[in-house]
Amino acid sequence: QKEVEQDPGPLSVPEGAIVSLNCTYSNSAFQYFMWYRQYSRKGPELLMYTYSSGNKEDGRFTAQVDKSSKYISLFIRDSQPSDSATYLCAIFMEYGNKLVFGAGTILRVKS
Amino acid sequence: EPEVTQTPSHQVTQMGQEVILRCVPISNHLYFYWYRQILGQKVEFLVSFYNNEISEKSEIFDDQFSVERPDGSNFTLKIRSTKLEDSAMYFCASSDTGGRQPQHFGDGTRLSIL
Repeated sequence: QKEVEQDPGPLSVPEGAIVSLNCTYSNSAFQYFMWYRQYSRKGPELLMYTYSSGNKEDGRFTAQVDKSSKYISLFIRDSQPSDSATYLCAIFMEYGNKLVFGAGTILRVKS
Repeated sequence: EPEVTQTPSHQVTQMGQEVILRCVPISNHLYFYWYRQILGQKVEFLVSFYNNEISEKSEIFDDQFSVERPDGSNFTLKIRSTKLEDSAMYFCASSDTGGRQPQHFGDGTRLSIL
């Protein structure tokens, strides 16, 4: 079983839609959860960071963690064409001192 | 906003040659990392570095790879004898207090081995 699973998409939505991006993970020892956005030929850019179950909101972005189900989500409200990018979930493994990434979901927001 | 900078943005090297990828982490950060991303694949961890020594490394990080912090600002990744399969994007990242704080990434160096 893969440590972090993420549907690669692509996901295509109209401008203004609510987008839901999801990852599942297998190791209950994972404690810190991140979402990165990656534009073509650029590095991962941190969007959200959380370490507890529940929701964390930042502008149009909401990160949700359900540790009991080992499930994390990123919601984007009022999506814009500029949100078109690859979204990576990443989970920090403390005992390995490393991030484990999902495959990334390609998002296209059509104007 | 402080950022991680990487040079060069693109490196083309003949197979078997040595290559050094350079990174300037965010200035007050203490933990440094290298990741790579082969085209179309996941971002993969290579190595973490703290207090002037390697703290963790992956199976990918074999004897052909080494890291160094030659001064107070640079962090380098050296590949001694490059192979075709080393072609990838290499990302440097840093964080201030380790994993409990998020890692910030540079824009990467695209390494092409011919």
